[in-house]
Amino acid sequence: EADIYQTPRYLVIGTGKKITLECSQTMGHDKMYWYQQDPGMELHLIHYSYGVNSTEKGDLSSESTVSRIRTEHFPLTLESARPSHTSQYLCASSEWTGPGGELFFGEGSRLTVL
Amino acid sequence: GENVEQHPSTLSVQEGDSAVIKCTYSDSASNYFPWYKQELGKGPQLIIDIRSNVGEKKDQRIAVTLNKTAKHFSLHITETQPEDSAVYFCAAKNNDMRFGAGTRLTVKP
Repeated sequence: EADIYQTPRYLVIGTGKKITLECSQTMGHDKMYWYQQDPGMELHLIHYSYGVNSTEKGDLSSESTVSRIRTEHFPLTLESARPSHTSQYLCASSEWTGPGGELFFGEGSRLTVL
Repeated sequence: GENVEQHPSTLSVQEGDSAVIKCTYSDSASNYFPWYKQELGKGPQLIIDIRSNVGEKKDQRIAVTLNKTAKHFSLHITETQPEDSAVYFCAAKNNDMRFGAGTRLTVKP
């Protein structure tokens, strides 16, 4: 079992609200990721981090922001949510120099913006 | 950068039949090829992986094959069961992991 946790699992909010999706891992992994998953299944990388104080934008442009103040914590924030932000958000982590490079995923946060 | 293509996008089989999902990749430097299974309401989980120095790997009912020359790899599931129904993702990694678009597998009892 992977030790990576996301909260909340489900969130329904109104337009204009600020939200933060939490992601924590207890494996000591340096690299962490946020993926946005559309209903068509495809995984889109929106943010990643190499370690503390490192954040990078992914392949898909996103209005969300991330921070990495502690190794184990990688929260994602939307300052003003819109219906177009409705999606499933998946957090993942991996060892920076692991031989396999396996990604461990959280269970996801399903966001609905009304 | 790496580009991974996955086919088919949906696959329906009868219980007990085999299922095959195919992927191609573009970056010849990619050296790690995992397969993930995502069940409804959960995050993807690694089910099997293969490295570029190996041509085939098997774990019970699932097997992966890798053709480095052609830059394609496949997932084979034999004796499918209803609990195999899920979305399956292939991926290829050089420095960064790149995922295919996913295959929704349905196993009919």
